[in-house]
Amino acid sequence: AQSVTQLGSHVSVSEGALVLLRCNYSSSVPPYLFWYVQYPNQGLQLLLKYTTGATLVKGINGFEAEFKKSETSFHLTKPSAHMSDAAEYFCAVGVSGGYQKVTFGTGTKLQVIP
Amino acid sequence: KAGVTQTPRYLIKTRGQQVTLSCSPISGHRSVSWYQQTPGQGLQFLFEYFSETQRNKGNFPGRFSGRQFSNSRSEMNVSTLELGDSALYLCASSLAGADEQFFGPGTRLTVL
Repeated sequence: AQSVTQLGSHVSVSEGALVLLRCNYSSSVPPYLFWYVQYPNQGLQLLLKYTTGATLVKGINGFEAEFKKSETSFHLTKPSAHMSDAAEYFCAVGVSGGYQKVTFGTGTKLQVIP
Repeated sequence: KAGVTQTPRYLIKTRGQQVTLSCSPISGHRSVSWYQQTPGQGLQFLFEYFSETQRNKGNFPGRFSGRQFSNSRSEMNVSTLELGDSALYLCASSLAGADEQFFGPGTRLTVL
């Protein structure tokens, strides 16, 4: 079984400030971890993913996340927020094995204040 | 390469009716998953199809069903619609055995 917890359903940051979105996961096997972004009235777009290897993962739009096995965390960060980053962000956990079994977190809405 | 397409984009139905939603995956993708997204429940997994076979199913009543065709296109059907079925229905495709899913824009279903 697997699960994802995203801390904070709403996060507000000032433009130019650090963005930190928290995600903790639970998985009985080595996980695949993802961050997706969703803009209003659109589908989800993959920001970055961790499967194996390097624990610091860089994604699109300047976002990155670090896989910390000991803390079962996969927090998303961006050094400097931009107005265009305002969206909803979803953390997700999956497992390998030839089929899709992905569990999504409840999402965090990011507000960027000018 | 064209992305995942979903039709229709918007749909209004009344209680008791049934509805069919369509999803065309990215060319070459054989896995198609469906999700229901609501403000209260978030993203919930409905089912996943691969090579015309349902491989995985979420915790939804039997009113929700799906199928996949030989060209990997997928449809989902909801019978006897209820008000609570109002949601954004998202389709996602991926390569066989792959991990990354590509999402369509969704179908917004409103049940009156």
